[in-house]
Amino acid sequence: EVQLVESGGGFVQPGGSLRLSCAASGFTFSDHYMDWVRQAPGKGLEWVGRSRSRAHGSTTEYAASVKGRFTISRDESKNSVYVQMNSLQTEDTAVYYCTTDYFQHWGQGSLVTVSS
Amino acid sequence: QSVLTQPPSVSAAPGQKVTISCSGSNSNVGINYVSWYQQFPGTAPKVIIYDSDKRASGIPDRFSASKSGASTTLAITGLQTGDEADYYCGTWDNSLSAEVFGGGTKLTVL
Repeated sequence: EVQLVESGGGFVQPGGSLRLSCAASGFTFSDHYMDWVRQAPGKGLEWVGRSRSRAHGSTTEYAASVKGRFTISRDESKNSVYVQMNSLQTEDTAVYYCTTDYFQHWGQGSLVTVSS
Repeated sequence: QSVLTQPPSVSAAPGQKVTISCSGSNSNVGINYVSWYQQFPGTAPKVIIYDSDKRASGIPDRFSASKSGASTTLAITGLQTGDEADYYCGTWDNSLSAEVFGGGTKLTVL
């Protein structure tokens, strides 16, 4: 059974940083793309970015709204994907979901609150 | 506003049929597979349709989707109160090099 477990969310002041982790199990992690999607309170889904598998060059893509501030990385030895979030703004407040297999599987989400 | 356009809300009576539209462009819906997601309050989204018209595992055949040009439509027949949820469409946009979602449609079963 595919499982995705996010962690690392919390409260941070504007301009601060936070790193979210997503621990994956139940599938061959190295073969799969991993995406981050966020959802602001009461709002719709917004794609954050993607980490491609090694077979596809281990490349990353980012939404324009986070490019230059967020960095997605993966650790194959730990079956984990991360998103390092810098220069956080109040509009980054959201539940952040880790997903895989082209959004077939989702984690439970991790809440990030950016506020002064 | 979202790259993909969905109606904010739809409603129908139990047992009836409802459709939810998702309109995009030739850089996204027109050339790529589309997925549909169902989300209940406080929970993660769940894929119900992938590759534009394939039902995800465990999804009843009351749910179906079709695509024509740069638009796609989710249809739900035999509506049940348990179908009340938010529904989102999503696909890759080749021009933006980004995954894009519709703004979401709230389904109310009257």
